[in-house]
Amino acid sequence: KNQVEQSPQSLIILEGKNCTLQCNYTVSPFSNLRWYKQDTGRGPVSLTIMTFSENTKSNGRYTATLDADTKQSSLHITASQLSDSASYICVVSDRGSTLGRLYFGRGTQLTVWP
Amino acid sequence: EADIYQTPRYLVIGTGKKITLECSQTMGHDKMYWYQQDPGMELHLIHYSYGVNSTEKGDLSSESTVSRIRTEHFPLTLESARPSHTSQYLCASGGQGHQPQHFGDGTRLSIL
Repeated sequence: KNQVEQSPQSLIILEGKNCTLQCNYTVSPFSNLRWYKQDTGRGPVSLTIMTFSENTKSNGRYTATLDADTKQSSLHITASQLSDSASYICVVSDRGSTLGRLYFGRGTQLTVWP
Repeated sequence: EADIYQTPRYLVIGTGKKITLECSQTMGHDKMYWYQQDPGMELHLIHYSYGVNSTEKGDLSSESTVSRIRTEHFPLTLESARPSHTSQYLCASGGQGHQPQHFGDGTRLSIL
């Protein structure tokens, strides 16, 4: 069964600290892995997209890694800011259909305290 | 920055009413999607469209219907709202290949 599991479910850190969010997936065949940021009351916004051949991609203070062999990804946030408080969603796309079906994780709820 | 718009943002309405949730995008995307999202849960695909006059049901069974008469417009309709329809509905477009999906800010629907 194709699944995307994220951990931790929630995380609280102090402003200025770093953190790492985890994503494990069983989706096969694999096309790409996406990280989205969803602020409260808003729609998800894309942070990174990685294909099979990419093992790291950065977007400002966000750095995503991908290990396609172990089917794991991480999102590292450096020098956290209050505005980083949001849900971070891992999404995996398969190659099994014309639609390129997306499998969504439940997200990690990150809270940054001053 | 938003190029995909959803209205209304919030809707509280009584059981049995007909509801239409609007979604419009200005990016010329052929693919559009409707998702349902409950608190702390993953997004579930309820409808999608490859282009004009193309609509398909998603993974999650839904009593809603959609139409795609124009590329930019993808409305979702509930003929008779019930409390079980209470949820957040997110519209998205794009996402083809390795391109990101663009999401609207959602409609939070409450059926009394």
